[in-house]
Amino acid sequence: TQLLEQSPQFLSIQEGENLTVYCNSSSVFSSLQWYRQEPGEGPVLLVTVVTGGEVKKLKRLTFQFGDARKDSSLHITAAQPGDTGLYLCAARGGATNKLIFGTGTLLAVQP
Amino acid sequence: DTEVTQTPKHLVMGMTNKKSLKCEQHMGHRAMYWYKQKAKKPPELMFVYSYEKLSINESVPSRFSPECPNSSLLNLHLHALQPEDSALYLCASSQDRDLTGQPQHFGDGTRLSIL
Repeated sequence: TQLLEQSPQFLSIQEGENLTVYCNSSSVFSSLQWYRQEPGEGPVLLVTVVTGGEVKKLKRLTFQFGDARKDSSLHITAAQPGDTGLYLCAARGGATNKLIFGTGTLLAVQP
Repeated sequence: DTEVTQTPKHLVMGMTNKKSLKCEQHMGHRAMYWYKQKAKKPPELMFVYSYEKLSINESVPSRFSPECPNSSLLNLHLHALQPEDSALYLCASSQDRDLTGQPQHFGDGTRLSIL
C-alpha cells in the first residue's frame, strides 16, 4: 500500500510566523499535488509539482518536490489567519492509478 | 464559487430512510468521483466513474449505490445507513481518470448525519 505521511499532523501558530509542512513516502511519484481545504468547503488545488527538485512559489507559499520524487514540502512565510485549513498532499498510485491523499496537516493561524 | 455543485449541503436522515446525494459539473470532465471524509481526516475514495461507467468501487457497502445518468451528473443513493456513515461526502471531477498531474475539482460536499 502506498502511503503519504504528512507532518506535523496539527499546527497552531501566531499570525506572522513561518511554517513548513512535510509529505513523505517510500514510493516514487511522477507528480504530486497540494490541496487546501477550508472549513465547510471542498479541497482546492494549490499546485502540482512534476520534476524532481522543482520549486514553485505561490505568493507566500513555496512548494518543493524532492530530488527522488518521494517527498515534498510546503513552506508558508508570514502566515495569516486566512491560511487556516487542512493541507493535503496527494499523488496518483496503485494498480488503479487513483489519487492517494496524505494524512493531512491541520493548520490554525491565530490573529 | 466551486464549479462542482453538490446538493443538498446538509442532510439528516434516519437509518431506515432512502435519500440521494446529487453532484453536477459542466466543465466537460469525463471522470467523476465520490469521497467520504471524516472530520480532520483526508478524503477516502469510494467510487470512480470514467466516461459514465463505474471503473473503481473501493469495496463500499451496498447501502451506498452510485449512479451516473450522464456525463454531467453523478448521484449517490443511500439506503439503510448506519450512524458511522455520518460524514462529509465530497464529489469531484477531472478531465480524464488516467491523466497524471491533472487536478481534481471538488464540490463543497454534503454534510450527512445519520440518526
